[in-house]
Formats: sequence, structure tokens, C-alpha cells
Amino acid sequence: GIQVEQSPPDLILQEGANSTLRCNFSDSVNNLQWFHQNPWGQLINLFYIPSGTKQNGRLSATTVATERYSLLYISSSQTTDSGVYFCAVGRGNTPLVFGKGTRLSVIA
Amino acid sequence: EPEVTQTPSHQVTQMGQEVILRCVPISNHLYFYWYRQILGQKVEFLVSFYNNEISEKSEIFDDQFSVERPDGSNFTLKIRSTKLEDSAMYFCASSAGAHQPQHFGDGTRLSIL
Repeated sequence: GIQVEQSPPDLILQEGANSTLRCNFSDSVNNLQWFHQNPWGQLINLFYIPSGTKQNGRLSATTVATERYSLLYISSSQTTDSGVYFCAVGRGNTPLVFGKGTRLSVIA
Repeated sequence: EPEVTQTPSHQVTQMGQEVILRCVPISNHLYFYWYRQILGQKVEFLVSFYNNEISEKSEIFDDQFSVERPDGSNFTLKIRSTKLEDSAMYFCASSAGAHQPQHFGDGTRLSIL
């Protein structure tokens, strides 16, 4: 099956700093989603981005499907950005395969 | 914006008991999924459901698990005889179709004592 690798596994940032999270996947996909899991365990959908670039406020994401990776950019980080960021991939309506996540801690 | 809703938010059950987790997917969606996440680990697929039948299931989804769509709105996951290792967060998701995102509920945290 598809393998999903996320890096870095852990990241500590000072408030206001920028960061880039990476997701590599082992096979072609046509579904890629980025999630933020908050401290209460909720999975918040950030982006549906099988290809191209999208922006939403301080967050943006880019997927280069031909090279099998996606990047999530967080600018001017805030303490509320803390949590685990998951990348998940799939094809059509097949189940999503999740990576192990990047645990982000933003300190004031 | 329409949401996937899950109940209860937290369930505590004695080992060996049956538990039913409930989900109301987004109303015009056709594809339904259950995932689980053991504490501190990644989210894992359990089962997908389309056109009133299971379309795919993982190795985790053994005979103690079953899913049902008893009416036009609810989608349930039943665990027949719970084990300690079933303790996890269970997420329901739904999708409108191919090339559409999966929308996740807030999850049910299941604790087996």
C-alpha cells in the first residue's frame, strides 16, 4: 500500500516564527488532505490539495503530485497553532492513509 | 457549513460489553468511513461503506466489528465484545464522491476498563 512519511516528527517554534512541514508519499494519489489535530483530539481539515497551491490566512500548502510530496507552510505562528499536523493521501474514494504526523509546539 | 456529527463524545465501557458508536454523515454524501486512533499514534482506517454495503475493510476490522446504516441518516459502528486494546478515538468521515475531500467528525473517545 501507499506509504506516507512526514517530517520533522517534532518541531518547537517561538511565537511569530515560520515553519515548513513536509509530506512524502510513495505512489500516485489524487486525494491529499492536511489536518490539524487540536489538544481535544479533533481533526480539523486544513486543506484538500491533491495538486497545486492553496492559501488560507497564515497557512498555505503546495502539492507537487508528480514528485510525490506536499508542503504545509505556517507563517507568524501562534500558540493556538500547537498540536499535531497530519497529512493523509488516497486515490478516488479509497480510504485515506495517514502519516505519523508532525507535533508542533509554539511557545510564547 | 454542514458537519459530520458523532455521539457520544466520550464512552466508558467495561471490557466484554458491547458498544455502539453513532455518526450522522453530511446529508448528500455517499461514501462513509470509520477510522480509529490509539492514543499517541496515527489515524488508521477501519472500514468504508457505500451503497449499503462494506466496500473495503482493514485487518483491524475483524468479526467483533460491524457497521450499519439503519436509516437514511445514521451510520453506526458496533463493537461486540470490547477488549482493552479497543480503547481509542474513533472517527467517522464522509465524502460526496471521487475527487472530493473526506469530512471528519469530532470523534468518540472510547475507554475500555
